[in-house]
Amino acid sequence: SQTIHQWPATLVQPVGSPLSLECTVEGTSNPNLYWYRQAAGRGLQLLFYSVGIGQISSEVPQNLSASRPQDRQFILSSKKLLLSDSGFYLCAWSRGGGEQPQHFGDGTRLSIL
Amino acid sequence: SQKIEQNSEALNIQEGKTATLTCNYTNYSPAYLQWYRQDPGRGPVFLLLIRENEKEKRKERLKVTFDTTLKQSLFHITASQPADSATYLCAPPPGNAGNMLTFGGGTRLMVKP
Repeated sequence: SQTIHQWPATLVQPVGSPLSLECTVEGTSNPNLYWYRQAAGRGLQLLFYSVGIGQISSEVPQNLSASRPQDRQFILSSKKLLLSDSGFYLCAWSRGGGEQPQHFGDGTRLSIL
Repeated sequence: SQKIEQNSEALNIQEGKTATLTCNYTNYSPAYLQWYRQDPGRGPVFLLLIRENEKEKRKERLKVTFDTTLKQSLFHITASQPADSATYLCAPPPGNAGNMLTFGGGTRLMVKP
């Protein structure tokens, strides 16, 4: 069966510090991968998606970046965090796109101080 | 511009009653809609998909309808239980079809014993 791992679960970082969140998927090949951010009480905002190794599409301009160094690894990074980067970050995978359901990790709660 | 709207106010119902949640969309015609459940501090979990040519889809106590005239999808939980308490998100594609999903803000359901 397929599983998705996301870590860390909770992170507190000072403003201006770097960020690296990692997501890995097991049990499937060539998944579509997604990074979302969810502000408190709000819907999910798609940040990045990837349909293959090294292929990243950005949905919103920001100081975040994403990379896919391996087929089932997706990394969200920042060189300098802003207060507005606080939120709940979710990684997801799907078998292709279109109607395929997305399967989410348990998220990372990021607080910027 | 395209919009997805779910009632941001929590829905409180008594155990055993039917819960009905609404998802309205404007300025486009999605080919399908997905519904997800999200528990606090967790990632969303896929529940059901309904296509534009399907008026109704059922899964155990869940029923989803898709009215392309009203531009609305309704999500019903019959014989509701306290364990059904969660936030429910609707997610159509951002365009009429495609690889991505656009998530509504979700409606929080509280089922009281």
